[in-house]
Amino acid sequence: AQTVTQSQPEMSVQEAETVTLSCTYDTSESDYYLFWYKQPPSRQMILVIRQEAYKQQNATENRFSVNFQKAAKSFSLKISDSQLGDAAMYFCAYRSAETSGSRLTFGEGTQLTVNP
Amino acid sequence: GAVVSQHPSRVICKSGTSVKIECRSLDFQATTMFWYRQFPKQSLMLMATSNEGSKATYEQGVEKDKFLINHASLTLSTLTVTSAHPEDSSFYICSARAAGSYNSPLHFGNGTRLTVT
Repeated sequence: AQTVTQSQPEMSVQEAETVTLSCTYDTSESDYYLFWYKQPPSRQMILVIRQEAYKQQNATENRFSVNFQKAAKSFSLKISDSQLGDAAMYFCAYRSAETSGSRLTFGEGTQLTVNP
Repeated sequence: GAVVSQHPSRVICKSGTSVKIECRSLDFQATTMFWYRQFPKQSLMLMATSNEGSKATYEQGVEKDKFLINHASLTLSTLTVTSAHPEDSSFYICSARAAGSYNSPLHFGNGTRLTVT
């Protein structure tokens, strides 16, 4: 079974600064997807960024980028120019591309605080 | 973009009663929907996978008779918490994937906060 680990329960960053959230995962599969989701106080799950394991290039979405290290099974999220609206719980998630069902396995989450 | 509507957003019920939560895909057909449970400041834990026209697949430790799932159409899945107890109080979230698009992202509902008194 796949597992996802986020070792930082809480992180804080100053507005306009950069912060990196860590995520590691364990799998025996070679084809899979990795995601970062944001959950603000509204509890809505918002997809931040997605990475296909077969792609070597790191995904980027505006101020959000990932550092995907497949061999190390690491998938960190970098938020540049942090904004107050970035404050939320962030979840790293894994999804197999080899089996049907597309279930997501989530990490424990990292609560990000953005200080003005 | 694809929208998943979850209803109700909040519900308070008395212990021993049953509560139904609906999850609808508004602008796409979903052969598979997922039901998650989230306790405060914790992660989302998959409860069951709901497949249209067939029985749901439950995760280990989830009581099938307590959490009844029905996926009767390509746009609607329901989760019924039967004989609810205070320990069932939690945040329940559904997600859905468009039919025929295995690699498409999952879309989440806004969740339902259940409080059992």
